[in-house]
Amino acid sequence: AQKVTQAQTEISVVEKEDVTLDCVYETRDTTYYLFWYKQPPSGELVFLIRRNSFDEQNEISGRYSWNFQKSTSSFNFTITASQVVDSAVYFCALSEASGFQLSFGAGTTVTVRA
Amino acid sequence: DAMVIQNPRYQVTQFGKPVTLSCSQTLNHNVMYWYQQKSSQAPKLLFHYYDKDFNNEADTPDNFQSRRPNTSFCFLDIRSPGLGDAAMYLCATSRERNIQYFGAGTRLSVL
Repeated sequence: AQKVTQAQTEISVVEKEDVTLDCVYETRDTTYYLFWYKQPPSGELVFLIRRNSFDEQNEISGRYSWNFQKSTSSFNFTITASQVVDSAVYFCALSEASGFQLSFGAGTTVTVRA
Repeated sequence: DAMVIQNPRYQVTQFGKPVTLSCSQTLNHNVMYWYQQKSSQAPKLLFHYYDKDFNNEADTPDNFQSRRPNTSFCFLDIRSPGLGDAAMYLCATSRERNIQYFGAGTRLSVL
C-alpha cells in the first residue's frame, strides 16, 4: 500500500522568508510518481510538479524548488522569498505506475504574513 | 481558459434528496476522476472512468454513482445524501496515467 506523510500541519512565515515543506512516502513499487499540488482558498487543486522514481534530479522553477531523495524516501518542497500569494494548502501525492489512484498526504497549510 | 469545469460551484441539497454534480473537460483526456474532500482533509478518490470503463474504489459507498455519457462529460450522482456527504467534490482528468488536472470543485451542503 502506498502512503504519503506530510509532517507539518501548518507553517506561518513572514513575507520574504523561505519555507520548506517536508514529504515522506512509502511504496513497494519501483516505478512511481511524486507530485506537489497547491490548493488556494478558492479550492482548485493546482498542479505544481511531477517527478518519476528514476529521476532524482532536483528542480527549480522560479521561487519554487524540489529536492527528491530516494534514499530517504523524501520529496521536499521549498518556496524561496515567500509572498502572500503563496498562502495555500500544499499537498504532496504519490501514484504508482500500475494504478490510477493519487494518494495524497494530509496537506500543509502555509500562511504568509505581510 | 478553464479546462476542467465543474458546475455548480456551490450546491445545497436536502437530506435524502438526490443530487447530481457535473464535470466537463476540454482537454480530450481519456480518464476522468471524482474525489471527495472533507474539511481540512486530503482528497479521497471515489471512482474513475478509463475511457468508458467505470472503476469504483473499494470503500466508496453505494450511495455514490457516476455516469460518463461521452469523453467530455462526467456526472456524480448522490442518491440519498446524508449529512456526512457534505464536502468539496473535485473532478480531475488525465491522459492515461499522466498528470491529473483538477476542476475548481463543487462544494456540497446537506441540510
